[in-house]
Amino acid sequence: QSALTQPASVSGSPGQSITISCTGTSSDIGTFNFVSWFQHHPGKAPKLLIYDVSQRPPDVSDRFSGSKSGNTASLTISGLQADDEADYYCTSIIRGTPLGVFGGGTKLTV
Amino acid sequence: EVELVESGGDLVPPGGSLRLSCAASGFDFRNYGMNWVRQAPGKGLEWVSSIGGSGSTSLYGDSVKGRFTISRDNSKNTLYLQMNSLRAEDTGMYYCAKNRNVLTGPRADYWGRGTLVTVSS
Repeated sequence: QSALTQPASVSGSPGQSITISCTGTSSDIGTFNFVSWFQHHPGKAPKLLIYDVSQRPPDVSDRFSGSKSGNTASLTISGLQADDEADYYCTSIIRGTPLGVFGGGTKLTV
Repeated sequence: EVELVESGGDLVPPGGSLRLSCAASGFDFRNYGMNWVRQAPGKGLEWVSSIGGSGSTSLYGDSVKGRFTISRDNSKNTLYLQMNSLRAEDTGMYYCAKNRNVLTGPRADYWGRGTLVTVSS
């Protein structure tokens, strides 16, 4: 069982917006601004979408955004496209576990 | 362009050993921490190990501590994972991932496509 909880699946139609949650505790997400989000198309290399809760790498579309409230981090994807269909993972440091942990992953269906 | 290419995955019996390699290019390898991350069949991602840019600091997940050793050769731009006393639950795709800075820990930005490790008799 993952230390970070994500919904197993979410779905949306092209053009819509969706949000994926990543729920931790006061020992991880609630304390550290160290949440990253990755997109993984099976068979391909995972791709960094968001780091440090809300920072976006230069090569990532501004349709992807991250935020945090209390012990829950969120990834929002706006203007859904067919190619957004993939698995999405959050990760964070946990107090006492500097290597970090992943959420269980969320399968997005467009 | 950053490129990470993993190799060394194979079918190995329980109790066996394997060494994975990750050839890096497109960035100044010695200035970045590196990681190994794995994914068991049908499961999610798991941080396995992380090493700092100089190679002097490293971290391990509880499930591999004492059995796996991460190392790097900065003269060859290559990351390694020596895997000993392999178990069936070590089966999965192993990814190499570059950090955003020289430190250890979950700071990955670029990833490779992975190499498959199967532990079975």
